[in-house]
Amino acid sequence: DIVMTQSPDSLAVSLGERATINCKSSQSVLYRSDNKNYLAWYQQKPGQPPKLLIYWASTRESGVPDRFSGSGSGTDFTLTISSLQAEDVAVYYCQQYYGDLHTFGQGTKLEIK
Amino acid sequence: EVQLLESGGGLVQPGGSLRLSCAASGFTFSSYAMSWVRQAPGKGLEWVSTISSSGGNTHSADSVKGRFTISRDSSKNTLYLQMNSLRVEDTAVYFCAKARVSVEYSSSSDYWGQGTLVIVSS
Repeated sequence: DIVMTQSPDSLAVSLGERATINCKSSQSVLYRSDNKNYLAWYQQKPGQPPKLLIYWASTRESGVPDRFSGSGSGTDFTLTISSLQAEDVAVYYCQQYYGDLHTFGQGTKLEIK
Repeated sequence: EVQLLESGGGLVQPGGSLRLSCAASGFTFSSYAMSWVRQAPGKGLEWVSTISSSGGNTHSADSVKGRFTISRDSSKNTLYLQMNSLRVEDTAVYFCAKARVSVEYSSSSDYWGQGTLVIVSS
């Protein structure tokens, strides 16, 4: 099974500053045949279901603000929020969908400093 | 508009059974893989199980393998999760989620239900 590990577990960033969350997979999630990384990022606010932000590691879902971006390949990935807004306070999860078992990272709690 | 509505949660004793349902609308249900994801109180997301669009391919997390069974009925646009031999640690909100890409088993999930709470306690 592919294990997903996020860092840090929690993060406090000032409004308008950059927030960076990392995600590492125990094996590559890059599928050679289509050259796509099977990695997604989700945002979850209290009392709500998760919301898809990024898929294929770097493709922004429709309607997601462009301050959210994803990068990385193989086993190491990053979610970046370029200028933190108050409404970005949430828990962020990465998920791999490369293997048969679509595992999540443990989550990163993002707060305002 | 895509809608996913879970039901069937509740309080059950350890060792008991429960069947969750997820009624889907607003999209061609038979064309998309579907998943169950759970979240224990105050904890992170845990992927539980995914079923392909045809229903012919299913996989489950090791923590539920042999106890939980995912299935679907395209005539009713409904996803199910049969949960047997329930344990205290199965207590969680259970979300159903729709694959973003049609036909593909391996896909992120673009729509989620609000979840149904399962409490396993004596």
